[in-house]
Amino acid sequence: DAGVIQSPRHEVTEMGQEVTLRCKPISGHDYLFWYRQTMMRGLELLIYFNNNVPIDDSGMPEDRFSAKMPNASFSTLKIQPSEPRDSAVYFCASRAGSGAEAFFGQGTRLTVV
Amino acid sequence: AQSVAQPEDQVNVAEGNPLTVKCTYSVSGNPYLFWYVQYPNRGLQFLLKYITGDNLVKGSYGFEAEFNKSQTSFHLKKPSALVSDSALYFCAVRDVSRDTGRRALTFGSGTRLQVQP
Repeated sequence: DAGVIQSPRHEVTEMGQEVTLRCKPISGHDYLFWYRQTMMRGLELLIYFNNNVPIDDSGMPEDRFSAKMPNASFSTLKIQPSEPRDSAVYFCASRAGSGAEAFFGQGTRLTVV
Repeated sequence: AQSVAQPEDQVNVAEGNPLTVKCTYSVSGNPYLFWYVQYPNRGLQFLLKYITGDNLVKGSYGFEAEFNKSQTSFHLKKPSALVSDSALYFCAVRDVSRDTGRRALTFGSGTRLQVQP
């Protein structure tokens, strides 16, 4: 398996623009997580899905952030409108079952100018 | 609630010496504990986990960790450090209690390990 695949790897956008980050989890994994990493706040959980259903979105910072998982092999994280403080590395991770470890993608480095 | 503390921002060790990266956790119920490593511009890579059973768990690249319930600790160790071990290390916890548990990991702030040649 190719692992968790995220795209794009880098994204530079202007403030106010819409940004969409994409994730393909490992086949057969039933949990999918979106994390954000910044120097100031470390790794923060934004939202996670189980069997394509959002379970906990309490980490989503504002209504500007939304996430979807239309099927078992694809998820998106959207920011609209984007702001400079959204600049961070966004990671997607997936996991098979309750006791398993999560596998992380390479991340998307987002810069909002 | 679940939380993790990594008290050291950075650990410096000479190559060939043993290393320890500290982690303490807080959960209401029973923990699942994990260590991950992150190299520059890369995602997190899984090193090892404690779910149940033997308190000493062995993982990738010669790393091991000991679960200590009384001290609520899960320190990462390696008998002999390599320069290539230099990276950012994250401890993570998940409370698996049916009532208070959360299905996602909470990560510590990370500890940068620097191994000098």
